[in-house]
Amino acid sequence: GENVEQHPSTLSVQEGDSAVIKCTYSDSASNYFPWYKQELGKGPQLIIDIRSNVGEKKDQRIAVTLNKTAKHFSLHITETQPEDSAVYFCAALNSGGYQKVTFGIGTKLQVIP
Amino acid sequence: NAGVTQTPKFQVLKTGQSMTLQCAQDMNHEYMSWYRQDPGMGLRLIHYSVGAGITDQGEVPNGYNVSRSTTEDFPLRLLSAAPSQTSVYFCASSLGSGNAYEQYFGPGTRLTVT
Repeated sequence: GENVEQHPSTLSVQEGDSAVIKCTYSDSASNYFPWYKQELGKGPQLIIDIRSNVGEKKDQRIAVTLNKTAKHFSLHITETQPEDSAVYFCAALNSGGYQKVTFGIGTKLQVIP
Repeated sequence: NAGVTQTPKFQVLKTGQSMTLQCAQDMNHEYMSWYRQDPGMGLRLIHYSVGAGITDQGEVPNGYNVSRSTTEDFPLRLLSAAPSQTSVYFCASSLGSGNAYEQYFGPGTRLTVT
């Protein structure tokens, strides 16, 4: 089955700096890569996603890149703000069949004011 | 829309007790899933359903049962609670058709088994 590794497990940045979270996946059949943000005491919420036919996608201060050859994908947050502090999960999905999602272990991001 | 709702928010059980975690969604989603979240292990799939009457096992199904009698509801049953089932449980739903892969998560149930 799919295996998703996520690094780092914790990340502290100063407000205004950039944050980068990296993930690798093992199943070359995976073709959809979402990123979820989980705030304290809440369920995860989708913030951005990328499909395997795209190399990069941006949404305001958030961007995701995908390298299919290396099976790497990354989340980039620029101009970080205190409200970006949360746990971020990467995931990989094979859109055939049930669309089973495999999650990384999560990265706890702390933005220091 | 209320989205995905879960009850209860918190629960304490003694070893050997049984209980049902409730999950409901009002978005007419076909796909529903149960995950458990443990420190350092991310979200692990327990059971899932691709429609009413259809369920299947995920990564960590032992000790849990599910059923899906309606599109809206997907309860998770703990048959005989064990301390290893202490966790935060999330229910999620998705449209499950076309390219609609986004999962919507409920607020979670924090379960402690003593």
